Amino acid sequence: EVQLVESGGGLVQPGGSLRLSCAASGFTFSSYEMNWVRQAPGKGLEWVSYISSSGSTIYYADSVKGRFTISRDNAKNSLYLQMNSLRAEDTAVYYCASTIGLPNDAFDIWGQGTMVTVSS
Amino acid sequence: SYVLTQPPSVSVAPGQTARITCGGNNIGSKSVHWYQQKPGQAPVLVVYDDSDRPSGIPERFSGSNSGNTATLTISRVEAGDEADYYCQVWDSSSDHQVFGTGTKVTVL
Repeated sequence: EVQLVESGGGLVQPGGSLRLSCAASGFTFSSYEMNWVRQAPGKGLEWVSYISSSGSTIYYADSVKGRFTISRDNAKNSLYLQMNSLRAEDTAVYYCASTIGLPNDAFDIWGQGTMVTVSS
Repeated sequence: SYVLTQPPSVSVAPGQTARITCGGNNIGSKSVHWYQQKPGQAPVLVVYDDSDRPSGIPERFSGSNSGNTATLTISRVEAGDEADYYCQVWDSSSDHQVFGTGTKVTVL
């Protein structure tokens, strides 16, 4: 079964750091691009970051550029999001998502999400 | 940055047709994807590349895209279609994925 499972969320103080993980299974992780998408409570979806299959190409949303770092370990079938200098507005459910079965960039697989709360 | 605008809400009676619009500058030149999200759940892709459906998505879901507006159409609406719907495009000028503002579909 194709599956993405996020972990690492929790409560952190403003200015703090957190590292999210996304464990992939059921497909050849190293062949696929990956993304992080977040959703603040009661709000819409916001794309956060993209990483190519090899890790050589990376993009960030303007709202997180310079504070967040996306990475992957293809040997461990894992995707990461290092979040530094966290702000209250970073409070959200964070999803990892990818395109597995389609020849385009639509996200046909999503994890269940992990909640990040930034509060003192 | 590229902006996608959706109506906040659409209400529809069971058995009728719901149309959800997604407005963006020359969106007709881009490939639009649509997601359904029910409370407490991750989004699910329902239409990709303007009008194609992933396997397992009912034919009641269809899409179109032209000019400055893309549209997701849900025919013969059922109670289970009640959810939030989001459009998405890739903005090549900024190398950003962009999601629409989201539309809550209420089945009366």
